[in-house]
Amino acid sequence: GESVGLHLPTLSVQEGDNSIINCAYSNSASDYFIWYKQESGKGPQFIIDIRSNMDKRQGQRVTVLLNKTVKHLSLQIAATQPGDSAVYFCAEKSQGAQKLVFGQGTRLTINP
Amino acid sequence: EPEVTQTPSHQVTQMGQEVILRCVPISNHLYFYWYRQILGQKVEFLVSFYNNEISEKSEIFDDQFSVERPDGSNFTLKIRSTKLEDSAMYFCASRGGVGETQYFGPGTRLLVL
Repeated sequence: GESVGLHLPTLSVQEGDNSIINCAYSNSASDYFIWYKQESGKGPQFIIDIRSNMDKRQGQRVTVLLNKTVKHLSLQIAATQPGDSAVYFCAEKSQGAQKLVFGQGTRLTINP
Repeated sequence: EPEVTQTPSHQVTQMGQEVILRCVPISNHLYFYWYRQILGQKVEFLVSFYNNEISEKSEIFDDQFSVERPDGSNFTLKIRSTKLEDSAMYFCASRGGVGETQYFGPGTRLLVL
C-alpha cells in the first residue's frame, strides 16, 4: 500500500549548523512531493516542493533532494536558526490524485 | 499575503451534536480540501472539492461528513453527529488552478465530549 514515512522522529542540531530531514515513500506513482513546517498549534506551512521530473530544487536556505531510484526525499536547511524549530512533514501526491499523503513528521530542535 | 482562514479556532461539543467548521480559502483558488490531525499524529486527508462537487474522499469521510461551498468565499465541513474519535485539528487547504501547492489554514481544534 502507499505510505510516506520518516526515518527519524526527532532531530537536534546546533544553531548555525545544517539540518537534513529525511523521508521515504513507497508509492511509485508519486509525481509530486512537498515539505511543510508545522509550529505548535498552527497549520502546516509550505516550505518547498518538487516534481518527480527533477532531483533537486533550491529555495531560500532550503534544498529538497529527490532520489526516485530508492524512493527517498530529503530537506536540507542551511545555517539553522531558532525559528526553524518545528515539526517537518513530507507529503506526496500521485498523478491524477487530489490528496496529499503525509508522513509522520520529524521534530527539529535547535540548540543554542 | 493572502492566506486561508478558519473559524472557530476552537470548538467544544457534546457527542452526537452537529458541528460546522468554516473556512475561507485564498481568493481565486479553485480546489479546496479538508484534512484532520489527531493529536500527535500525522495529517490525514478527508476530502477534496472542485467545481462544486467532491472530487476525492477518504474512508474517514463517511456519511456523517459533508462539505459545502454556500457562497463565493466560504467552504464548510459539517459533521452531523459527532463521535469522541472526531476530536482532532481540522485543517482547510486550497490551491489555485495552476500548480500543485496546497496552502493550509491555521486549523480548528475540535473537542468532542
